[in-house]
Amino acid sequence: EAGVAQSPRYKIIEKRQSVAFWCNPISGHATLYWYQQILGQGPKLLIQFQNNGVVDDSQLPKDRFSAERLKGVDSTLKIQPAKLEDSAVYLCASSLVGSVIEQFFGPGTRLTVL
Amino acid sequence: GIQVEQSPPDLILQEGANSTLRCNFSDSVNNLQWFHQNPWGQLINLFYIPSGTKQNGRLSATTVATERYSLLYISSSQTTDSGVYFCAVAETGNQFYFGTGTSLTVIP
Repeated sequence: EAGVAQSPRYKIIEKRQSVAFWCNPISGHATLYWYQQILGQGPKLLIQFQNNGVVDDSQLPKDRFSAERLKGVDSTLKIQPAKLEDSAVYLCASSLVGSVIEQFFGPGTRLTVL
Repeated sequence: GIQVEQSPPDLILQEGANSTLRCNFSDSVNNLQWFHQNPWGQLINLFYIPSGTKQNGRLSATTVATERYSLLYISSSQTTDSGVYFCAVAETGNQFYFGTGTSLTVIP
């Protein structure tokens, strides 16, 4: 069974530029998560989807970050415009829906903002 | 949100030694996972263990939900065990909260 796919793996941009990340979850997983992991810290949830609806986006900086999950499968996370403090690894995870919520993570996208 | 504390923050072991990592959480949870983040940044699932005890090879984990802690045991450590170990918890249907991790270095 294929795991969670993410692209690109690495991205370097200058501040004020825009960037987008893509995630394809495990087949059949209705819940998709985007996390931000700053160096030396644990991952922090940015947004959680169930199918194509948003379950939780309370920690998403909505003035510059946006995410969508059209058709309830693939998802994109966008930053526009980027700031220096957005330098981090962006992780996508997916899980089944239900009382047993075991998450599976993709390899992540490492973003450097100069 | 739920506060998650992990200890120790850093650990250095000689190959072959045993270790215990601890995760304390501030509220009742229905979901708890242990992950290993390898040097390339990939988060690898170790255990899904909201309660009870599980074992997988040299690794085992115990969660005492009523006392709000979980333990990860690593026996006969190997250099490939190096990396950061994270505990993540959630109430049903709610977001996961991660601890700050335990950084493990196993020396040959």
